[in-house]
Amino acid sequence: SAVISQKPSRDICQRGTSLTIQCQVDSQVTMMFWYRQQPGQSLTLIATANQGSEATYESGFVIDKFPISRPNLTFSTLTVSNMSPEDSSIYLCSVDRGTFFGQGTRLTVV
Amino acid sequence: GIQVEQSPPDLILQEGANSTLRCNFSDSVNNLQWFHQNPWGQLINLFYIPSGTKQNGRLSATTVATERYSLLYISSSQTTDSGVYFCAGLTGGGSEKLVFGKGTKLTVNP
Repeated sequence: SAVISQKPSRDICQRGTSLTIQCQVDSQVTMMFWYRQQPGQSLTLIATANQGSEATYESGFVIDKFPISRPNLTFSTLTVSNMSPEDSSIYLCSVDRGTFFGQGTRLTVV
Repeated sequence: GIQVEQSPPDLILQEGANSTLRCNFSDSVNNLQWFHQNPWGQLINLFYIPSGTKQNGRLSATTVATERYSLLYISSSQTTDSGVYFCAGLTGGGSEKLVFGKGTKLTVNP
């Protein structure tokens, strides 16, 4: 099993600013995944983060908007840049084929 | 294409009732999982069930991979069962990307 600590749990941000979300795993994992869940919607994969290489982004998501770091095998960050109200969502990190998810970050952009 | 479809979209029950949630998935999706998202956004993995039947307390799941569907059974429902139930599957070709259905929102009234 894996325990994932995700921070912050929630935040309210001004439009035009950026927020960095952290995800810490209690064991080493090869791949970490970042998902977005817009209000009332399902989860959509943003990108896959491998240690030592550039993240792989899904269609509709770009690195300039959602830069990701993966400095080691237990940690990753997702930054939501130049935020607008449309970025208001829950952001979740995941490992092990989605078996384990962090608690999520509930972001509201005003 | 890659499809995961869930029904019904909404379900309202009285405490103590039983229910069945359905997930249909396309040929390119495998390794079905069921998740429960509580009202606070926390996503919990209920079952990893690529085929066959599993039970955990009042919950059980059955996947018939040859017919491309999975069922989640909730017996003697409790108010704490409320939330959104998602099924998700891995896309083919060895990918570890999870594709989620749109979910079933369950409300259990006392």
